[in-house]
Amino acid sequence: DGGITQSPKYLFRKEGQNVTLSCEQNLNHDAMYWYRQDPGQGLRLIYYSQIVNDFQKGDIAEGYSVSREKKESFPLTVTSAQKNPTAFYLCASSILGMNTEAFFGQGTRLTVV
Amino acid sequence: AQSVTQLGSHVSVSEGALVLLRCNYSSSVPPYLFWYVQYPNQGLQLLLKYTSAATLVKGINGFEAEFKKSETSFHLTKPSAHMSDAAEYFCAVTGGGGSNYKLTFGKGTLLTVNP
Repeated sequence: DGGITQSPKYLFRKEGQNVTLSCEQNLNHDAMYWYRQDPGQGLRLIYYSQIVNDFQKGDIAEGYSVSREKKESFPLTVTSAQKNPTAFYLCASSILGMNTEAFFGQGTRLTVV
Repeated sequence: AQSVTQLGSHVSVSEGALVLLRCNYSSSVPPYLFWYVQYPNQGLQLLLKYTSAATLVKGINGFEAEFKKSETSFHLTKPSAHMSDAAEYFCAVTGGGGSNYKLTFGKGTLLTVNP
């Protein structure tokens, strides 16, 4: 089955630790995205990538980092610099183009303990 | 830059009643508009999209939306609500010139369906 796989589904982090969220797609999409979702805030774009080895900051990139070494993979690292990391994180992918929809993974819920 | 505003963070309807979820967009160029649905603790699923081929767009699960340029609106409707429609709904837009294909989302509307 084609789709986007995010792992883990639930993740707990101690304050001061970096954690990496995995996102893999087998849809052969060029573009990949990371969104953060908080209650009542909608989805806010963290980073996005159009092509391997290239990515751009979204609206709330501070405290996050990404890499795009392979077309199918776009991991997100939540660093200790992110002051309020507890949230639901969604990865998505799409073909390039403004009239194309994005396909989403099932999300990772990160909680700082 | 393009943006969308969803009016009403929470809408409650009775089973069998009309569902109307409101979305207004702001864009300096013709937009591409989308409606997504999210069930608890899951990702988003596309309901429908407007890409200028037709102003009335039909989607999955009996939902449809009408693009009204004069009102800058793209409201989502369903004639008769079902219990399984209870979820959060997001309006989104792309467009704005250049390679600006990123989806910009509204804050979402939580739909409750009462028996």
